[in-house]
Amino acid sequence: NAGVTQTPKFRVLKTGQSMTLLCAQDMNHEYMYWYRQDPGMGLRLIHYSVGEGTTAKGEVPDGYNVSRLKKQNFLLGLESAAPSQTSVYFCASSSQGAYQPQHFGDGTRLSIL
Amino acid sequence: AQKVTQAQTEISVVEKEDVTLDCVYETRDTTYYLFWYKQPPSGELVFLIRRNSFDEQNEISGRYSWNFQKSTSSFNFTITASQVVDSAVYFCALSVVANSKLTFGKGITLSVRP
Repeated sequence: NAGVTQTPKFRVLKTGQSMTLLCAQDMNHEYMYWYRQDPGMGLRLIHYSVGEGTTAKGEVPDGYNVSRLKKQNFLLGLESAAPSQTSVYFCASSSQGAYQPQHFGDGTRLSIL
Repeated sequence: AQKVTQAQTEISVVEKEDVTLDCVYETRDTTYYLFWYKQPPSGELVFLIRRNSFDEQNEISGRYSWNFQKSTSSFNFTITASQVVDSAVYFCALSVVANSKLTFGKGITLSVRP
């Protein structure tokens, strides 16, 4: 009964380091999303995918890249981490687009020093 | 472009009080969907309700009720007889059929004191 699983749950990076956040869903959903949550800002969409092999930019895409090589996985990459990317990152998936309820992972707390 | 405004940032009530969380949205699309999500202190996001733009009927689920009014572009959420377990951040969100994105408000932090 996993749903949406995010790896890792916590990470501390130094400025300039790179890393990849992994999101995996076992519900056969077509749509997947990456958000960041900052205090007082709500959730802001970084990138999203409407199916395997597709990606698109959201509201705050700068400094991030994504890939969707397999339907069940959606990877979020930080090529050169910056302190401004300190945030809680959430992955979500839905079956038929944003008008269906999204299922969220538990989040990844990322700190950039 | 879509926009969701949750003007209240923090609300504090005493247990058993009723509380209403406000949500105002903006969109030029005629077909859209509105959502409420709950984020308890443990951090996960929990889906509460979805409403489409053609269904203005109010909805009640136990102590929760939602009032959708297209005339004022509002989708307000009322908790009746609040409980400590209702303490959470509540997000209102909007999506339109024309794209695949969900736009969130900034959230309302509700604290229910014993």
